[in-house]
Amino acid sequence: GQNIDQPTEMTATEGAIVQINCTYQTSGFNGLFWYQQHAGEAPTFLSYNVLDGLEEKGRFSSFLSRSKGYSYLLLKELQMKDSASYLCAVMDSNYQLIWGAGTKLIIKP
Amino acid sequence: DADVTQTPRNRITKTGKRIMLECSQTKGHDRMYWYRQDPGLGLQLIYYSFDVKDINKGEISDGYSVSRQAQAKFSLSLESAIPNQTALYFCATSDQDRDTGELFFGEGSRLTVL
Repeated sequence: GQNIDQPTEMTATEGAIVQINCTYQTSGFNGLFWYQQHAGEAPTFLSYNVLDGLEEKGRFSSFLSRSKGYSYLLLKELQMKDSASYLCAVMDSNYQLIWGAGTKLIIKP
Repeated sequence: DADVTQTPRNRITKTGKRIMLECSQTKGHDRMYWYRQDPGLGLQLIYYSFDVKDINKGEISDGYSVSRQAQAKFSLSLESAIPNQTALYFCATSDQDRDTGELFFGEGSRLTVL
C-alpha cells in the first residue's frame, strides 16, 4: 500500500530552527509537496520538490532524497505565526496526491 | 474575495438527510477536487474532475456524488447523510498547465451529521 509518515506533533521555540521529516512509500513518484494549514483554515502551498536536493524559499527550505523516500521541511527563525500543521503529500505514478496526516507544530515564546 | 468559495461553511444535519456542498472558483482552472479531512488522517480524495465532461471517483467516493455544472462550479452531494460523514470538506482547484500541480483550496465546509 501507499504510505506517508510524518511526526504527529513537534514543539519548537520562537527564533529557533525546526526540521519536519516525511518518509514515503508510494507507487511511483511525480513530486513531493509541503502545505501549511492553520487551525480551521485551508491548506496553502509551501513547496514542491521533484528532483533530489534542497529548495530554499525565504525562511522555509524543503529537501528531497528520492532514493531514500525521504523529505524534510526546514523552518528557520521561527515566528509565532508558524504555529500550524504541515502536510506532506506525494504525487504517485497516476498523478494522484497521497497525503500524510500532518505534523502539528507548536511554537513557544 | 476568495478565489475558491465553498458554501455552506458550516452545516449541522440529521442522519438520512440529503445535503449539498457547493464550490465555485474564479481562478479559471479546469481541474477541481473534493477532499474530506478527519482528525489524525490525511486528506482523502472523494471525487475529481478535469473538465466539465469529466468526473472521476477518488479513494472514498461511496456515499457521495458530484456534479460539475460549469467550469467554475463543482458540487458535492450526500444523498443520505450518516454520522461517519461528519468531517471537514475542502474543495480545491489546480491548473493543468502548471508543472507543480499546486492545489488551491477553498476555506472548507464543516459538516456535522447527528
